[in-house]
Parts: sequence; C-alpha cells; structure tokens
Amino acid sequence: QQQVKQSPQSLIVQKGGISIINCAYENTAFDYFPWYQQFPGKGPALLIAIRPDVSEKKEGRFTISFNKSAKQFSLHIMDSQPGDSATYFCAASKDGNKLVFGAGTILRVKS
Amino acid sequence: EAQVTQNPRYLITVTGKKLTVTCSQNMNHEYMSWYRQDPGLGLRQIYYSMNVEVTDKGDVPEGYKVSRKEKRNFPLILESPSPNQTSLYFCASSSLSRDRGHYEQYFGPGTRLTVT
Repeated sequence: QQQVKQSPQSLIVQKGGISIINCAYENTAFDYFPWYQQFPGKGPALLIAIRPDVSEKKEGRFTISFNKSAKQFSLHIMDSQPGDSATYFCAASKDGNKLVFGAGTILRVKS
Repeated sequence: EAQVTQNPRYLITVTGKKLTVTCSQNMNHEYMSWYRQDPGLGLRQIYYSMNVEVTDKGDVPEGYKVSRKEKRNFPLILESPSPNQTSLYFCASSSLSRDRGHYEQYFGPGTRLTVT
C-alpha cells in the first residue's frame, strides 16, 4: 500500500509547454514534501521541497503547489525543455530523515 | 567534491551466492540508508542507520543485512540472494534530523543487481 500516490505514470509534453505531476498522501503527520529528479543512470537529486505552512513555492521554472486540506501537492514545470526529460519522484517525510516516495513519473519533453 | 559512491555499479549473480554492495560518503553525514527502486513502486527503504553501530529496518528489510562500523561506510549484504531481489539499489546519506529539521538526502549513482 503506497502512502504517497503519484500520477501520471508517464507524461509527454511539447517543448515550451507546462508539465504537471500530482501527488496525494494520507498521513497527516507528514510535514516535508520534496521532489526528486532522476536522469538515466543517475541517482535521484533534490529538485525543490515545501513544508505545509505555505501553499506554493517557486524556484525558477519549477513550482510546487500544496493543498493541505486535500492532502495533495503537485509539481509544475513551466516552459518545459528537452533537458527536463527525466523521472520525477514526489516524496514525504514526518521524522526529518526517512522519505516515503511516490511511484515516479517519466517525463518526456518533445522538441 | 561531496559525493556518495557505490560499488559495484552492475552485478549479475546466481541464487544463493552471498554478495556485498559497498556505499561510502565523504560528507560526514550521520544518517545513511539503502533503497531499492522497482518500476511502478518508486523507491522503498530497506535499512537505515542514524550513526555508527546504530541500524534499523526500513519498509522492505527481508533478505538484507547492513552494518555501520565506520561513519562513512554503510554496506548492504545479501546473504542468500534470490531472483526477487533483482532491482536497482541506491545508497543515500544526509545530516541527522534533530527537532524535525529536514535535510537533503544525497543519493549514490545506483547498483543494478540481477539475480538469476
């Protein structure tokens, strides 16, 4: 039983478009929600993270939207580029170290 | 350069033949953990360690062992590998959280294991 549900499994977006990946969680004790980006042959790397006391966090073209009442959060990639093609994982944590991951989304940006 | 290293990167072995995957970090992190990555399941934690000689089970510990004799090293041991342990394995490290602070986890490059 996955504690963090991620969708879609895969996503194809045209260059310049907006990529949106969604995650939902059940455990209200989670208080840290990072997104990790993974390129083929590499380990995941932290992309952006949010705490539940804010509804949105933006870093460059990447934005996390957080809806505490719905227990959902999403990653928006604006002006998507072919270099953004990767696997994206949402995650959640409640004790400061252990991460619970979603199943991952394979993003392909077509040029 | 801050990094987590794993060896080997690729390994093909047979059922029952003991193997060890090494993990080392150069960031003086207290917290280290092992994950396995499987399609459709994301990353699942196998074991973690909060410091030297302190280890505990994660979500999928069956069939695995770990040790933490030095702060920088956290090897993953498969005493008797089985085909269902065929997977992509990642080691990660971070500073230890205190007072619910959160720290970035740094992941190694992964070890692709095939058990036939």
